[in-house]
Amino acid sequence: DTGVSQNPRHKITKRGQNVTFRCDPISEHNRLYWYRQTLGQGPEFLTYFQNEAQLEKSRLLSDRFSAERPKGSFSTLEIQRTEQGDSAMYLCASSLDSLYGYTFGSGTRLTVV
Amino acid sequence: RKEVEQDPGPFNVPEGATVAFNCTYSNSASQSFFWYRQDCRKEPKLLMSVYSSGNEDGRFTAQLNRASQYISLLIRDSKLSDSATYLCVVNYAGNMLTFGGGTRLMVKP
Repeated sequence: DTGVSQNPRHKITKRGQNVTFRCDPISEHNRLYWYRQTLGQGPEFLTYFQNEAQLEKSRLLSDRFSAERPKGSFSTLEIQRTEQGDSAMYLCASSLDSLYGYTFGSGTRLTVV
Repeated sequence: RKEVEQDPGPFNVPEGATVAFNCTYSNSASQSFFWYRQDCRKEPKLLMSVYSSGNEDGRFTAQLNRASQYISLLIRDSKLSDSATYLCVVNYAGNMLTFGGGTRLMVKP
């Protein structure tokens, strides 16, 4: 296991289309997080899973956003009816315990045109 | 007010200089603290945890002042390769980390 893996690395989509991103965490990590980062800003929390349970969702996560982690392993983040304001880097991270920090994936850069 | 605040910089320093960044956090119930480093268009990577007694890792020293709710990072003998954005990170909800906006450091020859 070489770390947290995210796919795709880049996604360009037209406004109004749906997109789905995938994250494969470090295998022994039961906690998985999604963050969003725009240029010049720090990562902003979107949602958090412990095993397959989605335990927290940010107010940033509008009803167009949905995340799943069906078997407590990989996770998907779907954005429906994309808007230009959704353009950002979407980062996935995993951890055993947040007290010890996270390991991030390389991110998926979304551009909505 | 942001939960974790940092001076965005940039801090422009010559090689070999000592540079310090501060960060303030708003929630006194915060439990754990970190500095992350982020290179341009890359993911954040954990630089070091910050302990109440202060801790050092080579040229990097981190300090925590719980009474004043601030965290610092000191970099000695700056290298060109230290050029990056440094993110101050706080865990206060028990489950997820809150990031500051980052401080950009540019080390020049």
